[in-house]
This record gives sequence, C-alpha cells and structure tokens, in this order.
Amino acid sequence: DQQVKQNSPSLSVQEGRISILNCDYTNSMFDYFLWYKKYPAEGPTFLISISSIKDKNEDGRFTVFLNKSAKHLSLHIVPSQPGDSAVYFCAATQGGSEKLVFGKGTKLTVNP
Amino acid sequence: DTAVSQTPKYLVTQMGNDKSIKCEQNLGHDTMYWYKQDSKKFLKIMFSYNNKELIINETVPNRFSPKSPDKAHLNLHINSLELGDSAVYFCASSFLDRRYEQYFGPGTRLTVT
Repeated sequence: DQQVKQNSPSLSVQEGRISILNCDYTNSMFDYFLWYKKYPAEGPTFLISISSIKDKNEDGRFTVFLNKSAKHLSLHIVPSQPGDSAVYFCAATQGGSEKLVFGKGTKLTVNP
Repeated sequence: DTAVSQTPKYLVTQMGNDKSIKCEQNLGHDTMYWYKQDSKKFLKIMFSYNNKELIINETVPNRFSPKSPDKAHLNLHINSLELGDSAVYFCASSFLDRRYEQYFGPGTRLTVT
C-alpha cells in the first residue's frame, strides 16, 4: 500500500526554467512532509520540509507547496540548474514520529 | 570528513551466509536508523535507535538484528541470508528533536546469490 506516491518517474527541464515535482499521499494523518534529494552512489540529502499547518515553505530556489484538501504537495525549483539533476524523494510522517514514509522518487534532469 | 559512513559499500554473498554492515556517524547525533531500498526503489525504515535504545522496529524478519555499541555506531547483522534480502541498505542519523532531517550514509549494496 503506497501511502506516498510520486507518479512521475522522471522529469526533464531546461536550465533556467522551473522544475515542478509532484507528490500525493493517502494517509490523512500525515502532518509533516519533506523532500530529499539523491545523487547516484550517495545517500539521500534533506532538502526542505513543511508542516501541515502551513501551505508554503520557501528556501532559496526551492519552494514546497502543500494542498491538504487534495493531499498533494509539490516542489518548485526556480531557476533550475544542471546541478539539480538528481532523484527527488517525497516523504511524510505523522505525530512527531521519526518514521518517514518515502515515495519512489522522481528523477530530474536539468539540461544545459 | 564523511558525516555518515557505511562499510562495506558492496557486499556479494551466498544464500545462508551471515553478514554485517557497519555504520558510523560523526555528527554527534543521538538517533540512528537503518533503511532498506528494494528493487522497486522504495526506501523503507527498518530500525531506529535513540541513545543506543531501540525505538522503531518495523516488520522485519528476526534474521535482521541491529546492534548499537555506542551513540555513534549502529551495525546491522543479517543471519541466514536469502535472495530477497538483496537491496541497498542505508544508514542514517539525526538529532531526536530534529528527527525529520536525517543524514544518510552512501548505502551498502547487498547482493545475495
């Protein structure tokens, strides 16, 4: 049972344009959401997070939007850079638990 | 200066063998984790330790046993390896009060033949 879904396995964008990565979840008890980035042969790296009491969180070029009614979140990267090329994992948790439930990831390729 | 390190990076072994994967973190974190990324690419938590005490133990066969000799180390022992154990195993660590920001090691690719 996939509680966190990333339906796009891959995404390709041009350098300088916006990258939008999407994530859906089914468990309405999730109250904290995160994005991790993973380069080949490395472990995932924490990128940005958002609490369910917010609908937007911004950190530099990265913005995460949360739509609780749709059980949907998205990560926007503006402007996209070739170094952003990686696999992006969406994750969720509930009740302050350290147990993160991850999606399958979306591979982002930013073309120069 | 590697923050979270795992050894070995690759492990190829035969069914029925017993193997261990070591993990060390030098971040001063008080909580450590083991994750498994299977062939379908899902990253799933297996265990979580806080100050050497087990706090999460997901539905994992008891052939898998974590051991934490101190706060900086969390090793994973696997007995009687099976084909289905083939996966990438990631160690991670965090502060308990910032448990969402987990720092991952580079992973150990285990192949059971």
